[in-house]
Amino acid sequence: QSALTQPASVSGSPGQSITISCTGTSSDVGSYNLVSWYQQHPGKAPKLMIYEVSKRPSGVSNRFSGSKSGNTASLTISGLQAEDEADYYCCSYAGSSTSPVFGGGTKLTVL
Amino acid sequence: EVQLVESGGGLVQPGGSLRLSCAASGFTFSSYWMHWVRQAPGKGLVWVSRINSDGSSTSYADSVKGRFTISRDNAKNTLYLQMNSLRAEDTAVYYCARASIRGPYFDYWGQGTLVTVSS
Repeated sequence: QSALTQPASVSGSPGQSITISCTGTSSDVGSYNLVSWYQQHPGKAPKLMIYEVSKRPSGVSNRFSGSKSGNTASLTISGLQAEDEADYYCCSYAGSSTSPVFGGGTKLTVL
Repeated sequence: EVQLVESGGGLVQPGGSLRLSCAASGFTFSSYWMHWVRQAPGKGLVWVSRINSDGSSTSYADSVKGRFTISRDNAKNTLYLQMNSLRAEDTAVYYCARASIRGPYFDYWGQGTLVTVSS
């Protein structure tokens, strides 16, 4: 199972919205609503931000939203804040019997 | 409060062995599947291994299959990763992560422990 494809970097100004894409295949992202997104600040552990494509865990700001179209999932952050500057990783499964695969990660810079 | 605390990392020579531990607290450890995920310096997250709630089923990434062994002691609320025949490319921060009881995603992560394989 190959890694999911994410852009290496994205940037935006405070208050703007950005979207990070995560492209898989019809065998993983395209077939199952099992995409999750993680935020990782430097030197810190990853934190779950979105699960099952578009669901937000308790405590995660509603500025974070997820969606999927075909083989590509997306994470949108609206009203960008300085604290959102971090690396973001998507993750998907290709069915319940397979192993999870991560995207390569996207570095978000808040200008 | 859910807590996952890894330990056991350090410097080891190529071909050597190391055992990582992950002490869990704040939840019913024996009810959850657990995973190890690693991150090489400056690189992305890579899934390593997982174990089901009672330890009867395990799975490994191809890159570690036959060299690493995941296990757990539910009486001690502890997850383990035995790493043998270590290679330079195994150098990474190793995180233990809890799989949500509701689905295949990681809802809690430990702070990680650094493993450096070098002569």
